Amino acid sequence: KAGVTQTPRYLIKTRGQQVTLSCSPISGHRSVSWYQQTPGQGLQFLFEYFSETQRNKGNFPGRFSGRQFSNSRSEMNVSTLELGDSALYLCASSLMAVQETQYFGPGTRLLVL
Amino acid sequence: GENVEQHPSTLSVQEGDSAVIKCTYSDSASNYFPWYKQELGKRPQLIIDIRSNVGEKKDQRIAVTLNKTAKHFSLHITETQPEDSAVYFCAATSGGSARQLTFGSGTQLTVLP
Repeated sequence: KAGVTQTPRYLIKTRGQQVTLSCSPISGHRSVSWYQQTPGQGLQFLFEYFSETQRNKGNFPGRFSGRQFSNSRSEMNVSTLELGDSALYLCASSLMAVQETQYFGPGTRLLVL
Repeated sequence: GENVEQHPSTLSVQEGDSAVIKCTYSDSASNYFPWYKQELGKRPQLIIDIRSNVGEKKDQRIAVTLNKTAKHFSLHITETQPEDSAVYFCAATSGGSARQLTFGSGTQLTVLP
């Protein structure tokens, strides 16, 4: 069974731009969570989607948004990029809920200049 | 919201010795506690998890203990090997619907040969 995949793997943007990241979960998994990982803040929860619905959202500004498609693939969007948005963005999938084993993707490393 | 504290932030042990990492959580409703291992440049991978109805769980050289009364849980690695060197994260479910994982700040474990 193929693992969680994320595209692109690396991205360089400038302040003020917007970016869209993609996550394809393991086949059959319907829950997708997104995390931001930085050296200073560790792993921080962004949001979780299930059946195209956002079920929970972390403490991030409205510039961070996401969506999930009917095939469970998910995208996250960051608008008006700031230098502090530079981070590794990880998605994780599980069958139905976060209380089950979450499998992480390789991440998208975003650098904002 | 949930707060997860993890100690120590760095840990060095000699090969063959044991390593212990401790975490405390604040939300008494938390019921799922996974541990992830992240090697440099790689994605976090689940190594063991425990649910609130269990006090201890073991998988070969790795064990996790949970004390619900004190709201803390610990990871124990015995007979450490150089390939155990990595960053270890604890996490706990949080949120009214338990749809969010809150992570500890991580422990850099170094196993010296």
